[in-house]
Amino acid sequence: TQLLEQSPQFLSIQEGENLTVYCNSSSVFSSLQWYRQEPGEGPVLLVTVVTGGEVKKLKRLTFQFGDARKDSSLHITAAQPGDTGLYLCAGHSSNTGKLIFGQGTTLQVKP
Amino acid sequence: DTAVSQTPKYLVTQMGNDKSIKCEQNLGHDTMYWYKQDSKKFLKIMFSYNNKELIINETVPNRFSPKSPDKAHLNLHINSLELGDSAVYFCASSRPGQRKNIQYFGAGTRLSVL
Repeated sequence: TQLLEQSPQFLSIQEGENLTVYCNSSSVFSSLQWYRQEPGEGPVLLVTVVTGGEVKKLKRLTFQFGDARKDSSLHITAAQPGDTGLYLCAGHSSNTGKLIFGQGTTLQVKP
Repeated sequence: DTAVSQTPKYLVTQMGNDKSIKCEQNLGHDTMYWYKQDSKKFLKIMFSYNNKELIINETVPNRFSPKSPDKAHLNLHINSLELGDSAVYFCASSRPGQRKNIQYFGAGTRLSVL
């Protein structure tokens, strides 16, 4: 069974602080996606990383895919209250066609 | 226009009842999914249909029966509802054969079984 361990599960920080969310697995994925979910809404894709070692930036968000394509991280610089939400990593297995989700990280950024 | 829409958004019902959730996508995707998100926000796949054909069926009680009348619709019927069925159910769709398998989610249906 493929699993994605996401940490931390909860994070409460002050505006302006930096943070990193981690996703780890013993399985190799063909791609790793990060979604953000707002209350009462479905997850919305932020980014997809495909190549081992790949780094993608989305304004203050930096996403990295591990060299072995088993892990990923999301780093947010100078967090803002608007970053508050649930962040989900999801690994795609080309063998099964499934998207395996991590447990999610609930981020609260206080002004 | 909403890409993936599901109805109803909220569903409150008594234990033992039968209920359905409907989902429609206008993205032209061939693959549709049902996910269940529990109280701890963990999102788990239940079913996947590709062009009306069932391709993923996780270990889900057979009280749950998906139905796809055409590739733009995937409905979920639940018989004999139990307390443990309370959760948020998400419909999603994606384009097949895509290495990334990017999925587009509906807004969710919050099911409360009393």
